[in-house]
Amino acid sequence: AQSVTQLGSHVSVSEGALVLLRCNYSSSVPPYLFWYVQYPNQGLQLLLKYTSAATLVKGINGFEAEFKKSETSFHLTKPSAHMSDAAEYFCAVSELPGTASKLTFGTGTRLQVTL
Amino acid sequence: NAGVTQTPKFQVLKTGQSMTLQCAQDMNHEYMSWYRQDPGMGLRLIHYSVGAGITDQGEVPNGYNVSRSTTEDFPLRLLSAAPSQTSVYFCASSPVATGPYEQYFGPGTRLTVT
Repeated sequence: AQSVTQLGSHVSVSEGALVLLRCNYSSSVPPYLFWYVQYPNQGLQLLLKYTSAATLVKGINGFEAEFKKSETSFHLTKPSAHMSDAAEYFCAVSELPGTASKLTFGTGTRLQVTL
Repeated sequence: NAGVTQTPKFQVLKTGQSMTLQCAQDMNHEYMSWYRQDPGMGLRLIHYSVGAGITDQGEVPNGYNVSRSTTEDFPLRLLSAAPSQTSVYFCASSPVATGPYEQYFGPGTRLTVT
């Protein structure tokens, strides 16, 4: 069965500092991996996804993530945090074609950005 | 193009009452799903559908029913509400049933069961 683990339910960074949100996955087959963002009182929005092409994936709002098979990781980074990045971030995994696009989500990391 | 819409936005039910959460999408998406979001637990899949007339259970289906009579609509029915069903419910859709396609989420329904 597939699963994801997000280390740290809360992360606080200063504006302008590096953002690093950690995600490790478990999957019996090569996975698809996603990062979603949820702003307060809103639904989830896709930030980026890994689909077995380039291991470094660039997404919206300056975020990127690197797929590392040896470490079973898909950490999300942004070089310089902005106040508008404050939100909850979810890592998710979906197994390869042949199954429905069921996503298994991590428990989420709430990012706080301080002045 | 409204995307994924959900009604109502908020609902309070008494234990034992039934109700239907509505979900509609206007993107002609094949795949639709329902998740519940609880603090510290992320989103968990309740039911999903890969096309009209086809539904299947997700991770936490007990106490919920779904049907998919049209491509556009995917209602979620609570048969007899329980306090454990207090949660935020999200509907999502995706262009096709398989593959790494983005899921588009609705704004959510916040349900409280007293």
